[in-house]
Amino acid sequence: GESVGLHLPTLSVQEGDNSIINCAYSNSASDYFIWYKQESGKGPQFIIDIRSNMDKRQGQRVTVLLNKTVKHLSLQIAATQPGDSAVYFCAENGNSGGYQKVTFGTGTKLQVIP
Amino acid sequence: GAVVSQHPSWVICKSGTSVKIECRSLDFQATTMFWYRQFPKQSLMLMATSNEGSKATYEQGVEKDKFLINHASLTLSTLTVTSAHPEDSSFYICSARDYLSSYEQYFGPGTRLTVT
Repeated sequence: GESVGLHLPTLSVQEGDNSIINCAYSNSASDYFIWYKQESGKGPQFIIDIRSNMDKRQGQRVTVLLNKTVKHLSLQIAATQPGDSAVYFCAENGNSGGYQKVTFGTGTKLQVIP
Repeated sequence: GAVVSQHPSWVICKSGTSVKIECRSLDFQATTMFWYRQFPKQSLMLMATSNEGSKATYEQGVEKDKFLINHASLTLSTLTVTSAHPEDSSFYICSARDYLSSYEQYFGPGTRLTVT
């Protein structure tokens, strides 16, 4: 079935280093991708998004890359800070059964070492 | 802007009782709201999509008679867990899509349900 998955369940990085979180998706019809950050006991927080007609989008300290050829999505966080410690989810938006819905990946826990 | 609230933030109920969770879009109108369930250390699983004024669309494996969804207005959707059992204990999260946007969703803070 359709799914969104991640390569790494846990990522530990030194404070100040760059972080890269990867995601593989399988639904080639998905037209919109989002990265969310979730802290313990809270709802997901939007980080950055990208539409399928783009391959790169930059925000403040974050960059999302989309490779449709291999169905791969990545989130790059520059100069990682302790406050970046959280679980990160990629999500894809696609049409299923006639309506738009967002499917979440399995999540990667980012641990920032001070 | 684009704030979604949930009430209550946490609830404890006894097995066999029903509990209602509210999801509100505070500063925008949401024609579509989504309900997710998240077990510890797992991802968010979509339960159902709720469209204002119409019946909700449930994902495969989600019992519509157990998880009642009502989307009576453009700012409010409710999820009622009927005859709750301990296995229904979970983190329930709603999200709302602004009717002006076909993509962006805004998430609520979640409701922690514990069934004893």
